[in-house]
Amino acid sequence: EDQVTQSPEALRLQEGESSSLNCSYTVSGLRGLFWYRQDPGKGPEFLFTLYSAGEEKEKERLKATLTKKESFLHITAPKPEDSATYLCAVGGNQGGSEKLVFGKGTKLTVNP
Amino acid sequence: DGGITQSPKYLFRKEGQNVTLSCEQNLNHDAMYWYRQDPGQGLRLIYYSQIVNDFQKGDIAEGYSVSREKKESFPLTVTSAQKNPTAFYLCASSGTYHTDTQYFGPGTRLTVL
Repeated sequence: EDQVTQSPEALRLQEGESSSLNCSYTVSGLRGLFWYRQDPGKGPEFLFTLYSAGEEKEKERLKATLTKKESFLHITAPKPEDSATYLCAVGGNQGGSEKLVFGKGTKLTVNP
Repeated sequence: DGGITQSPKYLFRKEGQNVTLSCEQNLNHDAMYWYRQDPGQGLRLIYYSQIVNDFQKGDIAEGYSVSREKKESFPLTVTSAQKNPTAFYLCASSGTYHTDTQYFGPGTRLTVL
């Protein structure tokens, strides 16, 4: 069964204090790993898609990396406006059936 | 601007009442999805549609129904058979497949009175 585990559940940082969020996964036939940002009461906002181990993508203070078992979302010198819940989702293909599985998210709080 | 719209933003349902949530997209995507989000849980798939006039049950379809008469629209009805409907409902769309990048709407919060 495809599974996605995000850690930690919650992370509190001081402004400028860099850190990483983890997304561990097991999937049959990886089709893509997706990172989203979700603000309270709003829909998830797409950040990155990673397709193969070794791939990296960057956007402003965020950098996503992928290995065969996990993905990291690195946040460099975060600002209070980076506070949000970050969701990871993994797309797999098993026997011709595609499915997207979401983790429960990591709630990030950046204090000024 | 291309995007996904959901309405209403807030919805209140009385016991025994059916309610319909609207979802419209102008991204020219083939596939559309409905998810339910509860505190402390990952997004769970209710229904999806990859083509007009066709849709499939997701993991938690009981008590819900959908239609896909137009490419742009995918309304979700929460029926009285859904025993615990209070949740945040998210509509998404993508190119064709589940594993194409999915883009989400702003959500509808449904509360049972």
